[in-house]
Amino acid sequence: SQQGEEDPQALSIQEGENATMNCSYKTSINNLQWYRQNSGRGLVHLILIRSNEREKHSGRLRVTLDTSKKSSSLLITASRAADTASYFCATDDRGTGFQKLVFGTGTRLLVSP
Amino acid sequence: KAGVTQTPRYLIKTRGQQVTLSCSPISGHRSVSWYQQTPGQGLQFLFEYFSETQRNKGNFPGRFSGRQFSNSRSEMNVSTLELGDSALYLCASSLELASREQYFGPGTRLTVT
Repeated sequence: SQQGEEDPQALSIQEGENATMNCSYKTSINNLQWYRQNSGRGLVHLILIRSNEREKHSGRLRVTLDTSKKSSSLLITASRAADTASYFCATDDRGTGFQKLVFGTGTRLLVSP
Repeated sequence: KAGVTQTPRYLIKTRGQQVTLSCSPISGHRSVSWYQQTPGQGLQFLFEYFSETQRNKGNFPGRFSGRQFSNSRSEMNVSTLELGDSALYLCASSLELASREQYFGPGTRLTVT
């Protein structure tokens, strides 16, 4: 079963616009990660934010985490056509020490030129 | 460094047959995890291996099994294939058991007819 639910399921924007995706999860976490998947391919790690962090930046990416609301958001600024992909949040089982990642349902982002 | 490789990339099998998929992690990575991705269920954790031992297992029937070799390469096996096993199978590697960032391979697309 999936722990994360992402919103929106799909997002269509124009190049240059910002894209915001949200992720909600159910249990306590050690950290939350965001991954990107191009159509039918493997996932690429984008960014990891720890449970004691509230915001993190990486290039055009900005991630926020609100553990009280069990939610996170991924902001992609100045989007490009190459950003077209599915984006997933993933959380780990807190305290187990295992690498079991539980993925959200994903947001399909389409960036049009 | 070379990335995670998976073989074969595409596979078509018949119901009732069995299949073995292979994954070679990034050099130096000791942990390998397997995931199943389908349109209906999304990304689901299958199992993880570290130092040739299965450390965690997802909620899949016993028809799904795996192993890891001393060089960290891993295989997963699905016996008595069912139509519902058609999916993209993804392998991910990471440095250590407690690592959180995982590197994914391109996946094996399995179609069961």
